[in-house]
Amino acid sequence: GENVEQHPSTLSVQEGDSAVIKCTYSDSASNYFPWYKQELGKRPQLIIDIRSNVGEKKDQRIAVTLNKTAKHFSLHITETQPEDSAVYFCAAQRGGYQKVTFGIGTKLQVIP
Amino acid sequence: GAGVSQSPRYKVAKRGQDVALRCDPISGHVSLFWYQQALGQGPEFLTYFQNEAQLDKSGLPSDRFFAERPEGSVSTLKIQRTQQEDSAVYLCASSLGRLNTEAFFGQGTRLTVV
Repeated sequence: GENVEQHPSTLSVQEGDSAVIKCTYSDSASNYFPWYKQELGKRPQLIIDIRSNVGEKKDQRIAVTLNKTAKHFSLHITETQPEDSAVYFCAAQRGGYQKVTFGIGTKLQVIP
Repeated sequence: GAGVSQSPRYKVAKRGQDVALRCDPISGHVSLFWYQQALGQGPEFLTYFQNEAQLDKSGLPSDRFFAERPEGSVSTLKIQRTQQEDSAVYLCASSLGRLNTEAFFGQGTRLTVV
C-alpha cells in the first residue's frame, strides 16, 4: 500500500520568514496530493492540493510543488503569520481509488 | 447539515465496554472514510465506503472494530470490548466520490478508555 513520509515533525520560524514541509510517497499510481491544516482540537481542513499533471500550484502565501519522478512534494508558506501555527498534514491518493494516506504531520510554530 | 457531523464529541468508556460512534456525512457524498488519530499523530486509515459498500477495511486494527453504512448515508463505527489502546480521536470524512476530490472531515469523536 501507499506510504507517505513527512518531515520535519516540528518546525519553528520567526514571523515573516518562510516555512517548507516536505513529503515523499511510495505508490507511483498516486495522482492527487492534498495538504490539510489542523488547528488544536479542530478538524483537518484542506488548504491546497495538487494533481499529478501539474508541477506547481500557488494560492496567495502558500504553494505546493510536485516532483513525480522523485515521488516527492512540498508545501511552502511565505511571510508566515502567527495564525499559520498549526499541524500540517500531507496526503496522497491513488488514481481510481479514494483512500487517502496521510503523513505523520508537521507542527508549525510561528514566533511573533 | 452544512458539514460532516459526528456524535458523540467525547466518549469515556470503561475497558471492556462496547461503543458506537456515529457519522453523518454531507448530503450527496458518495464516499465515506473513517480514520483513527492518536495524540500527536496523523490520521490513520481504518475503512472506506462507497455508498453502502465497504470497499476497504484493511485499516481496522482487529476484529473488535466493525463499521457499517447500511443505507449509504449515516455510518456507525462500533468497537467491541474496548481496550486502552483504542483511546484516540476517531475522524469521519466524506467526499463526492469522484476521482481526486476534497475529503471533508467531521470534528471527530474523542474516545477515552479507562
